[in-house]
Amino acid sequence: GAGVSQTPSNKVTEKGKYVELRCDPISGHTALYWYRQSLGQGPEFLIYFQGTGAADDSGLPNDRFFAVRPEGSVSTLKIQRTERGDSAVYLCASSTSGAGNEQFFGPGTRLTVL
Amino acid sequence: AQRVTQPEKLLSVFKGAPVELKCNYSYSGSPELFWYVQYSRQRLQLLLRHISRESIKGFTADLNKGETSFHLKKPFAQEEDSAMYYCALASGGSYIPTFGRGTSLIVHP
Repeated sequence: GAGVSQTPSNKVTEKGKYVELRCDPISGHTALYWYRQSLGQGPEFLIYFQGTGAADDSGLPNDRFFAVRPEGSVSTLKIQRTERGDSAVYLCASSTSGAGNEQFFGPGTRLTVL
Repeated sequence: AQRVTQPEKLLSVFKGAPVELKCNYSYSGSPELFWYVQYSRQRLQLLLRHISRESIKGFTADLNKGETSFHLKKPFAQEEDSAMYYCALASGGSYIPTFGRGTSLIVHP
C-alpha cells in the first residue's frame, strides 16, 4: 500500500510569508509526528498527534508554528511570518496507536525561506 | 535533558571490512535506543531497536549502560550499506525519539 506522503516536495518562499505543509499518513495510523531536519543535523521533534488531538507539542519552537489534524488523518503544519532560519526539511511520520510502535516516515518537504 | 552523540560525521571503509558506528547517550532513566537509516534518495526508516535484540541486514547493536553507548556493528560491510545512520533515544514511555546528528557510512568496492 501507499506510504506516508508529503506535499509539496519543495517549497520556496520569501521571508515573512505564510506556508502550509501537508502530510498524508498511512491509512489506519492514528499517531502522526512532525519533525524538522536542518542541514547536517538529525530530525528534531516538533509535534505528535494521537487521533485529532495534539498529544505533545513541546517541540514547536515558537507560536509561529502550528499544526492541525481535524479529521484524524491528514495533517497540516502551518508556519506564519517565515524566517530564514525556518529553512529545513520537514518530515512527517505515522504509526499505529501505542507507544513504541514503528514510525514510518514520509519523503519530507524541503522548505527554503529567502 | 537527554542527548545523543554520534562523534563521527563520516565513516569510510572498504567492502568486507568491519564497521562500527558509535553512539553515546546521556539520560538519567532507562533509555529506549534505536538506529535509523536513510539510503540515498530513500526515506528514513527504522533499522533496529535495542529491545528487539535482533540482527537486521547483518547489523547488531548492544546497549551498554555502563558506558552509555549503543554502537552499531557489522562484521563485514557491503557496498549497499552505504547510507546515513542516525542513533536515537526515547524516554518516559513516549517513544518520541531524540536523534543524533547522523554518521554517513561509505563502503568502497
